[in-house]
Amino acid sequence: EPEVTQTPSHQVTQMGQEVILRCVPISNHLYFYWYRQILGQKVEFLVSFYNNEISEKSEIFDDQFSVERPDGSNFTLKIRSTKLEDSAMYFCAISPELPSYNEQFFGPGTRLTVL
Amino acid sequence: KQEVTQIPAALSVPEGENLVLNCSFTDSAIYNLQWFRQDPGKGLTSLLLIQSSQREQTSGRLNASLDKSSGRSTLYIAASQPGDSATYLCAVSGNTPLVFGKGTRLSVIA
Repeated sequence: EPEVTQTPSHQVTQMGQEVILRCVPISNHLYFYWYRQILGQKVEFLVSFYNNEISEKSEIFDDQFSVERPDGSNFTLKIRSTKLEDSAMYFCAISPELPSYNEQFFGPGTRLTVL
Repeated sequence: KQEVTQIPAALSVPEGENLVLNCSFTDSAIYNLQWFRQDPGKGLTSLLLIQSSQREQTSGRLNASLDKSSGRSTLYIAASQPGDSATYLCAVSGNTPLVFGKGTRLSVIA
């Protein structure tokens, strides 16, 4: 099973601050995803990323969010100006091939707390 | 819009019992269905993936079935153990990336 690590495991920030969440797949994969889970709620899709560009995004993924793969290995999610409602677990996922037909493997998550 | 529902929301069983978790989805045009396990405060561990052309998948004491036409899947856990205690999530992939249910919180009592 492909391994995915995420850093930090827990991030506490003040409202209005920028945060960058990082995802590092252990092996090389083509498809990357970010999901979030607000406490007690469903896991929700944010964005998918393929070949160094966004392939799909949800309504949640507004202008405050951005993703990039700056160095060919790390995959980052940036929230420019955090709001209280951004507090959630953020999960990175990877898929080795065409996503609709293959398993997605999730990282351990980053717990973001916005004060 | 795809909606995924899981019943029951919570389940408590004695150790050794066989159990079934249910998942239903509203749009049968899916590519695959994936079952995950989530421990409290942790990430998601993939348990089983069923392609839309398949009827079931098995892994150890786990068996997942898929009835695409009726929009249903079940996860069968045989001879449950306390270590099986976790939240089990069902997710479907179609024209959009994974859409998740809210999960079933399972407690296996020793």
